[in-house]
Amino acid sequence: AQTVTQSQPEMSVQEAETVTLSCTYDTSENNYYLFWYKQPPSRQMILVIRQEAYKQQNATENRFSVNFQKAAKSFSLKISDSQLGDTAMYFCAFHSGNQFYFGTGTSLTVIP
Amino acid sequence: GAGVSQSPSNKVTEKGKDVELRCDPISGHTALYWYRQSLGQGLEFLIYFQGNSAPDKSGLPSDRFSAERTGGSVSTLTIQRTQQEDSAVYLCASSLVVGLAGFNEQFFGPGTRLTVL
Repeated sequence: AQTVTQSQPEMSVQEAETVTLSCTYDTSENNYYLFWYKQPPSRQMILVIRQEAYKQQNATENRFSVNFQKAAKSFSLKISDSQLGDTAMYFCAFHSGNQFYFGTGTSLTVIP
Repeated sequence: GAGVSQSPSNKVTEKGKDVELRCDPISGHTALYWYRQSLGQGLEFLIYFQGNSAPDKSGLPSDRFSAERTGGSVSTLTIQRTQQEDSAVYLCASSLVVGLAGFNEQFFGPGTRLTVL
């Protein structure tokens, strides 16, 4: 079975600084997708970034980038130039076949 | 265009009562998921519908939980004889296609917060 682990329940960062959220996963599969989702207090889950396992290049979306280490089964999210609107829960997710597996989340607070 | 909608947004019920939660996916999306998010937890997969195929019910926690999807569109999650441990946010998501050959993004609804007293 696939598992996703987020070992940082809570994190904080000063506005405009950079923060990295960690995620590890366990799978025996070779082809899969990895995602970071953001869930603000409104509860609306929003896709932040995704990575295809067969791509070696790390995905980047504006201020968000990932460090994908396939051999280590690690998929961290880096947020640069943190903004107050980045305050939210962040979930790492693994997708293969029909199912998505989510971590328990990291609550990120951006401090003004 | 309209996103995924869920109703009600909040539901308070008494232990032992049945509840129905509704999800309206984005028009044309063939895949639909239900998840449960308990306080301080990640999303727990409940059930998955893909087109006219038999649903994947492997995540349903007990036989008190059931779901259907009528006409390949609207879905209803039913919890019978609710228990206090059923209290959680229930999220629905839809996407165009699921699977590595044609992955598309999951779009989530705002969820239904269920409180069982």
